Amino acid sequence: DGGITQSPKYLFRKEGQNVTLSCEQNLNHDAMYWYRQDPGQGLRLIYYSQIVNDFQKGDIAEGYSVSREKKESFPLTVTSAQKNPTAFYLCATSDRAEVSSRPKKLFFGSGTQLSVL
Amino acid sequence: QKEVEQNSGPLSVPEGAIASLNCTYSDRVSQSFFWYRQYSGKSPELIMSIYSNGDKEDGRFTAQLNKASQYVSLLIRDSQPSDSATYLCAVNEGRKTSGSRLTFGEGTQLTVNP
Repeated sequence: DGGITQSPKYLFRKEGQNVTLSCEQNLNHDAMYWYRQDPGQGLRLIYYSQIVNDFQKGDIAEGYSVSREKKESFPLTVTSAQKNPTAFYLCATSDRAEVSSRPKKLFFGSGTQLSVL
Repeated sequence: QKEVEQNSGPLSVPEGAIASLNCTYSDRVSQSFFWYRQYSGKSPELIMSIYSNGDKEDGRFTAQLNKASQYVSLLIRDSQPSDSATYLCAVNEGRKTSGSRLTFGEGTQLTVNP
């Protein structure tokens, strides 16, 4: 079954705790993205990676960290420095866009709802 | 100024009517524009993409782009209750370093009343 798997579906974080959200894909896509969505809001980009062993900060990277050791995996760690982590987190993938070509379609996972205890 | 702005709504239309959703963007170099539909608690799904000025039609959906006015819209004809969702406008700036990353608006919640 091809696609993007995000786990867990629901996650609770205690104050001062780091938590890691998993994102695995078998679409053979080069690029992966993490977005955060607050209630009634659009998606905001946290981090993205266009190739293995490389990643860039998005618009709201503070309090988050990522790694891209394998093409298939792009885990997101929500650190204790992120003071307001409650949100819906979405992982997305795409083929790598070539220079001067149109962007590739984004494929989204089913999301992880993170809440603070 | 927000990079991508949408009327937050909610927008309510009767079944069978035309729903009109609007979006403006601030970055003049933006090249590609997308409309996503998101049902509550679910991930967004792409319904339209548009790259050139003018209209693009796909079934009941029509996307309209005016780069001079930095404006993109989505029309839904013959609206159905199943169209009730949040519609997200997204923009790709087209720079080499940005890849396929998108900047999203806050979304417009649409309700179609039977």
